[in-house]
Order: sequence, then C-alpha cells, then structure tokens
Amino acid sequence: DTAVSQTPKYLVTQMGNDKSIKCEQNLGHDTMYWYKQDSKKFLKIMFSYNNKELIINETVPNRFSPKSPDKAHLNLHINSLELGDSAVYFCASSQDNAGTVTDTQYFGPGTRLTVL
Amino acid sequence: QKEVEQNSGPLSVPEGAIASLNCTYSDRGSQSFFWYRQYSGKSPELIMFIYSNGDKEDGRFTAQLNKASQYVSLLIRDSQPSDSATYLCAVGGYNFNKFYFGSGTKLNVKP
Repeated sequence: DTAVSQTPKYLVTQMGNDKSIKCEQNLGHDTMYWYKQDSKKFLKIMFSYNNKELIINETVPNRFSPKSPDKAHLNLHINSLELGDSAVYFCASSQDNAGTVTDTQYFGPGTRLTVL
Repeated sequence: QKEVEQNSGPLSVPEGAIASLNCTYSDRGSQSFFWYRQYSGKSPELIMFIYSNGDKEDGRFTAQLNKASQYVSLLIRDSQPSDSATYLCAVGGYNFNKFYFGSGTKLNVKP
C-alpha cells in the first residue's frame, strides 16, 4: 500500500511541450506539496495545497500550475517546457492544514523529468 | 548566504562509530527543524524533527538544536553501512516561502 504515489516515474519530452505529473496520497492528509530537486540535489518547495488554499512559492514560474481534483490528489502541470525544468519532481503530503510547513512530510517516489 | 547550509561531504566513518552531521540556517524566526535521509535514487524520508532547544533522542539518532547559534545537528551512534545515504536538513516556520532544505551531506559508513 503506497502512501504517496506518483506517475509517471520517468518523463522524457521535447522543449516547448506541455506535460503533467500525477500524485495521489492515501494517508488522509490535509496538505500536499510539490518539490523540485535539481542535479545538485537541492530540494526546493514549489507549492503547498490544502482544501482551503493554494500557496505558491514566489520563485516558481507561472508555467507551473498545480491542479487538485480532490483532497487525495495534486497534479502538476507544466506548460512550455524548458531545458532548465529537467529535474526530479517529488510530491509530498502532511497532516498540517494550517498553511505552514511545520509538520512531517511523506514523499512520493519522484518523477524524473528530462527535457530535450 | 544560503538559507540552510550543510557540508556536502562525503563524510566517511567506520562501522560502529558516531557520525556527526551539521546544519546552519540563516532565518532566526525558524520554528521547525527536520532531518531527512535520502538514499540514491530514492525519495527523502524523515529521520527526526525537533522544535525546541536541546537534544532529542530516538534510538541511535540524536538531534541537537541551538537556536542562539542557528545550528542543528544529527548524531548517529553505532553507525551501520545501511546508514550510508545523503542526509538533508530542512528548516521552516510559519511562512511557507521560508521553508528550505539544505543540499545534504553524503555519509559513507565503511564496514
């Protein structure tokens, strides 16, 4: 029983394309996140979303947009992909529903995105 | 100055020794401090969290927090080869845009 799952595991695409990564959690958590981990292993938080609000890291380009059909899912859409978007993207969830990041997060297995 | 700084390593220790991993942070308003472990090609998993100054122990792991010095550390006693991984320090508070991970310290435990 995977707690946080992501699909696809690998995604290879051309510059300029639009792509989506899906994330599902079965932990009953209130908040989900998206992270980007670059080649230097820096994990950078991109979004936090719960049933109350979406919080966006101010440094994330607006080509990136999260979509949440329900509490258990948070998908990441990326428009007009660029070479610099190549990275591993992790979804995570936590019980925290206060719009803060003070609670333990559980990470999905990651999606390795390669933009050619 | 990076928000969270860690020595990238690798830190090499023999099996059975104590491994000491360090992290400094720049935001004095930080409230929560986490240590995650990440094996190569895998996702981060939580080792410990600490909110108050002092030590917090969980099995072979001890987290130490010193808010005055803006310093948090992780001690691993009786290190095992299975502890070989990258250890990520994360620091946050009540501002979403001020939650940061460090770049991690790679630990090698030699049999």
